[in-house]
Amino acid sequence: EAGVTQFPSHSVIEKGQTVTLRCDPISGHDNLYWYRRVMGKEIKFLLHFVKESKQDESGMPNNRFLAERTGGTYSTLKVQPAELEDSGVYFCASSQDLARFYEQYFGPGTRLTVT
Amino acid sequence: GESVGLHLPTLSVQEGDNSIINCAYSNSASDYFIWYKQESGKGPQFIIDIRSNMDKRQGQRVTVLLNKTVKHLSLQIAATQPGDSAVYFCAENDMRFGAGTRLTVKP
Repeated sequence: EAGVTQFPSHSVIEKGQTVTLRCDPISGHDNLYWYRRVMGKEIKFLLHFVKESKQDESGMPNNRFLAERTGGTYSTLKVQPAELEDSGVYFCASSQDLARFYEQYFGPGTRLTVT
Repeated sequence: GESVGLHLPTLSVQEGDNSIINCAYSNSASDYFIWYKQESGKGPQFIIDIRSNMDKRQGQRVTVLLNKTVKHLSLQIAATQPGDSAVYFCAENDMRFGAGTRLTVKP
């Protein structure tokens, strides 16, 4: 069974540009989460999808970030326009059962560098 | 504010020694805690969890201790191996993570 995959693995963009990150969860996992880790700091929750619906987006830093999960399968996280402080590693995770949300399987992350 | 944090950012141990990684939390309402391991280039992986009604839980070579009185969580790794080198995060049930501790195992 394939794990959670993320694309791209690395992205280097200039301030003001747009970047779209993609996450493919484990097949059959209704729950999809996005997290971010700024260099040297803690991993922070961004948002949680249940199928195509946003269950909790309390961690989204501002309106430059837009997450979608059309069809309840893969998800995208768009940053527009990117700022320097957006640099970090963006993780996606998925879980099958909301009651066991802690059994999240993480993807390898996308390292975003904004210059 | 309430937070989850770690006492030490780095820990270096000799292969074969035991490792102890600590984590402090301040939300007394948390009833579930998780330890994750993140190896270079990979996402965090679940190691072990513990509920607040327990003081100790053991896994394979790992033990998690919970002290609710002082709001402290620790992860003990027995006979640390080079493959244990990674960053370890603790998290509360609302998926708030600590900053992480980097464990380096010296041969």
